Amino acid sequence: DAKTTQPNSMESNEEEPVHLPCNHSTISGTDYIHWYRQLPSQGPEYVIHGLTSNVNNRMASLAIAEDRKSSTLILHRATLRDAAVYYCIRKTGANNLFFGTGTRLTVIP
Amino acid sequence: NAGVMQNPRHLVRRRGQEARLRCSPMKGHSHVYWYRQLPEEGLKFMVYLQKENIIDESGMPKERFSAEFPKEGPSILRIQQVVRGDSAAYFCASSPVLGTGYEQYFGPGTRLTVT
Repeated sequence: DAKTTQPNSMESNEEEPVHLPCNHSTISGTDYIHWYRQLPSQGPEYVIHGLTSNVNNRMASLAIAEDRKSSTLILHRATLRDAAVYYCIRKTGANNLFFGTGTRLTVIP
Repeated sequence: NAGVMQNPRHLVRRRGQEARLRCSPMKGHSHVYWYRQLPEEGLKFMVYLQKENIIDESGMPKERFSAEFPKEGPSILRIQQVVRGDSAAYFCASSPVLGTGYEQYFGPGTRLTVT
């Protein structure tokens, strides 16, 4: 499997930035880093992905370390709606996504 | 553009019955994936299909489970002779193109309860 390591849980205050870390020390040159999140009782939702450069979209930013062994998902201003389990996935040549246990983000009002 | 659709959203079956779960991918998507999520666990890949072909079924239990994606109509995940351990949320995803740089879009899931 394509292993990544994330903290089990994190907390953030509403309206503050959140930095969700992910380690993928065995990543190879062609593996993309994908982030998905799963809100309670819903299907996973695509957040962002990248290969080498930092990436931004309307939902979040992805900062990838220069050696690509780690990355950080950045939510610029957490809202209550951002409370979810966030999955960092190393996408190899395999067709499927390997979901680990993810990071459960709690947003405190 | 409608998202990935799954039905039914909730399905209750007695032990020994059959369960049929349907998935309609996003318009223009020809790649379909099925995942299973047991209570309090992460999603586990089951099978990947393209139209009329099973490409990778490495995550599918060897018995009682089958999947298809016909030329016309939705993809079907079929579970025969269900047991209590089959109770889970089943998610379908689709993508437009195959490759590591492309995301998958997930449906809302079917929650199967076996009594």
